[in-house]
Amino acid sequence: QSVLTQPPSASGTPGQRVTISCSGSSSNIGSNNVYWYQQLPGTAPKLLIYRNNQRPSGVPDRFSGSKSGTSASLAISGLRSEDEADYYCAAWDDSLSAWVFGGGTKLTVL
Amino acid sequence: EVQLVESGGGLVQPGGSLRLSCAASGFTFSSYWMHWVRQAPGKGLVWVSHIKSDGSRTNYADSVKGRFTISRDNAKNTLYLQMNSLRAEDTAVYYCVRDRWSGPDSWGQGTLVTVSS
Repeated sequence: QSVLTQPPSASGTPGQRVTISCSGSSSNIGSNNVYWYQQLPGTAPKLLIYRNNQRPSGVPDRFSGSKSGTSASLAISGLRSEDEADYYCAAWDDSLSAWVFGGGTKLTVL
Repeated sequence: EVQLVESGGGLVQPGGSLRLSCAASGFTFSSYWMHWVRQAPGKGLVWVSHIKSDGSRTNYADSVKGRFTISRDNAKNTLYLQMNSLRAEDTAVYYCVRDRWSGPDSWGQGTLVTVSS
C-alpha cells in the first residue's frame, strides 16, 4: 500500500488530454513539492515534472503538473502513442522523514 | 551529460550481504545529494535511502533501516549501498539517482539484486 495514491490505470486516444491524479496527506503533498516520473517499458524512470509544475529542459510542454492542497495532477495533452508508459508521483514526507512514491499509473494509448 | 552506472548486483542467499556501487560522471558529484530507489519485478518504485552531498546526513526507509548503509566517496565520485541481512523481499532493481531541484532527478540504468536460496 503506497503512501501516495494513484489510479492503477488510465487511457486515452491519440490527440486527447489525459490527467493522472496523486493523492496524499498534509505531511507529504500538503507541505512539500511533488515530482512526476515517466517509465517507458524496460527502461529507467525519467523526471517529467519537478517542484509541482516545472519541466526540465527537453520535456515537451504537452506535459504539465499542478498541485492543490494534498493532491496533485499530471496532465498530458495531445496524447501520442509514445506516451504509453508508467507514471509515478513522489514527494518528501515530513512524518516519515522519507521520500514516498505513488503506486504508479499505467497509461494506455488506445 | 549526467551518467550514473550501478554495479555490484547479483544473486545472494537470504541473510547474506552485498555492496552496490554507483559511478557518477558528467557533473560535480560532491555538490549533490544522492538517492537509492528500488523496484521489485513488476512492481512500483520504492525509495530506499539518500545521503547529503558531504555525507553528513542520511535517511532510510523503515523497511531497510538497520540493515542497509548508504555512503559516498566524493574523491572517487562513487555512491555505495551496503546491504546486510538480505531478505527475499529485497529482490529488486536498485537505481542510483541524483538529487536536483530538491528531488530525485537523473537515474542510472539500475542493477538487479536477487535474494534467493
